[in-house]
Amino acid sequence: SAVISQKPSRDICQRGTSLTIQCQVDSQVTMMFWYRQQPGQSLTLIATANQGSEATYESGFVIDKFPISRPNLTFSTLTVSNMSPEDSSIYLCSVETRLNTGELFFGEGSRLTVL
Amino acid sequence: EDQVTQSPEALRLQEGESSSLNCSYTVSGLRGLFWYRQDPGKGPEFLFTLYSAGEEKEKERLKATLTKKESFLHITAPKPEDSATYLCAVQSNDNFNKFYFGSGTKLNVKP
Repeated sequence: SAVISQKPSRDICQRGTSLTIQCQVDSQVTMMFWYRQQPGQSLTLIATANQGSEATYESGFVIDKFPISRPNLTFSTLTVSNMSPEDSSIYLCSVETRLNTGELFFGEGSRLTVL
Repeated sequence: EDQVTQSPEALRLQEGESSSLNCSYTVSGLRGLFWYRQDPGKGPEFLFTLYSAGEEKEKERLKATLTKKESFLHITAPKPEDSATYLCAVQSNDNFNKFYFGSGTKLNVKP
């Protein structure tokens, strides 16, 4: 298992601003995943972050809008840039502690509201 | 296109009233099907992995089964603490890093 801490847990932001979400894991992991969960909808993968390489983005998500850092094996950040109300969502950090098992562990999420 | 559909969207049960949640999936080569539980304001919590048709997994009052087209999460004699949203996800052989999640079933168990 893994203990994942996300900050902030929630925030209210103004349109046009940017916010960085931090994700700290209590053990070293190869891959970290960033998901978005909009109200009443399923989780959507934004990108996969490997340490030491560029993040891999899913269709519909771009680096300019969601830049990701992965400076070491226990930490990652996701920035939501130039926010609009459509970006209001829960953003979740996730890790797979046992490679290729598919058993994902999630942080508690960061709930963003953009006014 | 790979996708996952869960039904019903919401389910209200009386304590002790057994029922099943459904997860139908379409994927090009299933590597694994996963069930998660999500409590309000929390991230999903891993419950089960199923890899092949006919496989079953159990944990307390929960039992997950898998066929070639769908999975069921059976809840036997549920308690109020089983109230949560249950999410299903599939992983394709084409991309181990990508998991397709359903929208979930919100279960409410009344005492």
